[in-house]
Amino acid sequence: AQKITQTQPGMFVQEKEAVTLDCTYDTSDPSYGLFWYKQPSSGEMIFLIYQGSYDQQNATEGRYSLNFQKARKSANLVISASQLGDSAMYFCAMREWRGGATNKLIFGTGTLLAVQP
Amino acid sequence: ETGVTQTPRHLVMGMTNKKSLKCEQHLGHNAMYWYKQSAKKPLELMFVYNFKEQTENNSVPSRFSPECPNSSHLFLHLHTLQPEDSALYLCASSQVELTGEDGYTFGSGTRLTVV
Repeated sequence: AQKITQTQPGMFVQEKEAVTLDCTYDTSDPSYGLFWYKQPSSGEMIFLIYQGSYDQQNATEGRYSLNFQKARKSANLVISASQLGDSAMYFCAMREWRGGATNKLIFGTGTLLAVQP
Repeated sequence: ETGVTQTPRHLVMGMTNKKSLKCEQHLGHNAMYWYKQSAKKPLELMFVYNFKEQTENNSVPSRFSPECPNSSHLFLHLHTLQPEDSALYLCASSQVELTGEDGYTFGSGTRLTVV
């Protein structure tokens, strides 16, 4: 069964430093997509970055990059130059294709990031 | 105007009350979802609607009753809730068929407290 694991319940990082949030996944499908969402204290889930299983390069979006290691089934989120506004819960999620389109996302348990001044 | 709007943002209700949560999306999506997010627990998918038809109900108690009158609106009717139902209820929408980096668009959620 598909599964997303985030082993870090909470993380601290100093402002302006980089931080890596871990995510591992389990799937038997060769086609899948991986997502990271940010959830500030306001509650809304905000899409950050996407990585497709066949993408040759790691995805990047501004200060966010995804360290995709397919053989290890890991998709870690790297936030460079942390800002106080990065303090939030971060969720990793996966979508499988299973031979056809699907609209089901499976989420991890999240990592609470606190950026310290 | 945000893509997915949820109302109310906060709700306090007694265990004997009946209330409804509303979700509206203006993105032209044809799938909508209800998630429950409790403290220190993972996101729980409650219901999935594709083209207004319910396609998934993850063993949700009958005191939660969803309604999807059209692809743009989703309701969650609540009655005789328990204190353990206190949580953040998130609505999301997407296309039924996700391709590429298509994912979900979430609303800001309704923080529900049952007293």
